[in-house]
Amino acid sequence: QSALTQPRSVSGSPGQSVTISCTGTSSDVGGYTYVSWYQQHPGKAPKLMIYDVTKRPSGVPGRFSGSKSGITASLTISGLQADDEADYYCCSYAGSYTYVFGTGTKVTVL
Amino acid sequence: QVQLVQSGAEVKKPGASMKVSCKASGYSLTNYYINWVRQATGQGLEWMGWMNPKNGNTGFTQKFQGRVTMTRNTSISTVYMELSSLKSEDTAVYYCARGPTSNWYDYWGQGTLVIVSS
Repeated sequence: QSALTQPRSVSGSPGQSVTISCTGTSSDVGGYTYVSWYQQHPGKAPKLMIYDVTKRPSGVPGRFSGSKSGITASLTISGLQADDEADYYCCSYAGSYTYVFGTGTKVTVL
Repeated sequence: QVQLVQSGAEVKKPGASMKVSCKASGYSLTNYYINWVRQATGQGLEWMGWMNPKNGNTGFTQKFQGRVTMTRNTSISTVYMELSSLKSEDTAVYYCARGPTSNWYDYWGQGTLVIVSS
């Protein structure tokens, strides 16, 4: 399986919104509602931010939201804060009980 | 509180095998899947596979077919991931991660660095 395609980097000023795309195929992102998103700060383990495309775990701020259209899933961060600066990865079910991560996106807060 | 504690860093020679453990606490191991994800230095996350500790069922990406084995010892709430025929490209931090299904992962271990070098 090929990794899902994410932009290498996105940036925004504090308070702004940024959106990270995650493009796959009809065999993964486009075929299922099992897309999750993870935030990873340098040297740390990933943290779950969104699951099942749009659901937010308890403790994750409402500023984080997920969506999907066709073969592209998206993570939007509203009201960008300094601590949001991190790497973000999408992950999708890819059939046959396997999963695939995205290539990762570095979010920079200007 | 929920914790996944992994075994310590390892250095292995090419062709050898590695075995990483993941000890769960704060919840019942058999109620959640354990998934394995690795990350080479400076690279992205790579999904490897999952185990259902309740029945021992596993699934893993075809890339690791024939090289990966996942086992568990429920009496000590521990899951193991063994990777054989190691190559330098297997040098990475290996994470275990819990999920109510294999679809998403809400708690992660601290990661185990495995270096494969002659």
